[in-house]
Amino acid sequence: EMQLAESGGGLVQPGESLRLSCAASGFVFSTYWMSWLRQAPGKGLEWVANMNQDGTKTNYVDSVKGRFTISRDNSKNSLYLQMNSLKVEDTAVYYCATQTPGYNILTGYWFSSWGQGTLVAVTS
Amino acid sequence: DIVLTQSPDSLAVSLGERATVNCRSSQNVFYSATNKNYLAWYQQKAGQSPKLLVYWASTRESGVPDRFSGSGSGTDFTLTISSLQAEDVAVYYCLQHFAFPITFGQGTRLEIK
Repeated sequence: EMQLAESGGGLVQPGESLRLSCAASGFVFSTYWMSWLRQAPGKGLEWVANMNQDGTKTNYVDSVKGRFTISRDNSKNSLYLQMNSLKVEDTAVYYCATQTPGYNILTGYWFSSWGQGTLVAVTS
Repeated sequence: DIVLTQSPDSLAVSLGERATVNCRSSQNVFYSATNKNYLAWYQQKAGQSPKLLVYWASTRESGVPDRFSGSGSGTDFTLTISSLQAEDVAVYYCLQHFAFPITFGQGTRLEIK
């Protein structure tokens, strides 16, 4: 069974940094595109960033470009999100998720498995 | 960006009755070369992460009860729960993966009447 476990969330002030981790198990991590998504308190879902299997391709939503960096370590079955220059509006539960096997126009790009999330609160 | 607008924002339905959630896309999410609609549905129960229910607009994910069904094409889609059960109380989201960035609808909260 696919399992994803996020960690690293916490309470920080605006302008500070935080690094989230996602530990994967139960599947061959190195064969999946992986994503980070977030959900502000009481709000909807937003895709944040994703990365291909070997870490050579990344995509970001415009609101985090230049501030957040996604990375992965396939030897540790782990995904990371380095968040710099945090803003109040970055406050959310952050989820890691697998994307569809294959990740192409034939197999689609939805999110198949999700972790339970880690809360990031940015407040002064 | 493709904007998905769900209706209604909230819905109260009696146990055993039909529940219908709509999702309208600002752009066509049907790709003729693959003959597929790049639209999925998720269920999020309180305090839990989202769970995939339907992909390709109408294909039920493995293990999802058959009372859940998806329909529609192009820009208008529907998630139907044929006979509402107590465990179906949740927020439901549509998602488009036709174009980047991948976007979600704002969610529809489903409650028991």
